Amino acid sequence: AQKVTQAQTEISVVEKEDVTLDCVYKTRDTTYYLFWYKQPPSGELVFLIRRNSFDEQNEISGRYSWNFQKSTSSFNFTITASQVVDSAVYFCALSEVLAGGTSYGKLTFGQGTILTVHP
Amino acid sequence: ETGVTQSPTHLIKTRGQQVTLRCSSQSGHNTVSWYQQALGQGPQFIFQYYREEENGRGNFPPRFSGLQFPNYSSELNVNALELDDSALYLCASSFGTTRINSPLHFGNGTRLTVT
Repeated sequence: AQKVTQAQTEISVVEKEDVTLDCVYKTRDTTYYLFWYKQPPSGELVFLIRRNSFDEQNEISGRYSWNFQKSTSSFNFTITASQVVDSAVYFCALSEVLAGGTSYGKLTFGQGTILTVHP
Repeated sequence: ETGVTQSPTHLIKTRGQQVTLRCSSQSGHNTVSWYQQALGQGPQFIFQYYREEENGRGNFPPRFSGLQFPNYSSELNVNALELDDSALYLCASSFGTTRINSPLHFGNGTRLTVT
């Protein structure tokens, strides 16, 4: 069965610090997608990134960067120079291709990491 | 571009009652997925609808059912409510074909409290 583990339950940093959120996944699928979502207090899950299992290139988007390592089944997320607005719950998720052929249908989420950035 | 909208935002029901939650998908999206998020937990997949048919189901009992309409909006129905059904219910839409699917875009959710 698919599983996503986010071992860090809560992280607290001071503004401008760098912070890395860990994600380890388990799947038997050869083709899958990985995601990161941000959930602010409003409750909406905000899409940050998706990664195809065949694409192990790291990605950088502004202050955000992602390190995908298939060999260790990890997909870690780093925020550089954190800001108070980054405070939220962050979820890592793994997709499963459903029988109908549409991927992403079923996402398996980790437990989430609560990030608090203090001024 | 209109995002995913859910109604109502909050709901209080009594154990044993039935509830219907509604979701309007993002413009251009044809697939709707529903998730249940208990407090302090990650979302759990309930089911997905694609072309008005259920396209996959998570580990939820039959009293959780859904519909997708021709305009791709969707309903989640829960019968015989139990206290453990109290949670945030999230709807997500995406564009899907048999070969490709866009990322899920989530609504703000409906907070259901069962007393």
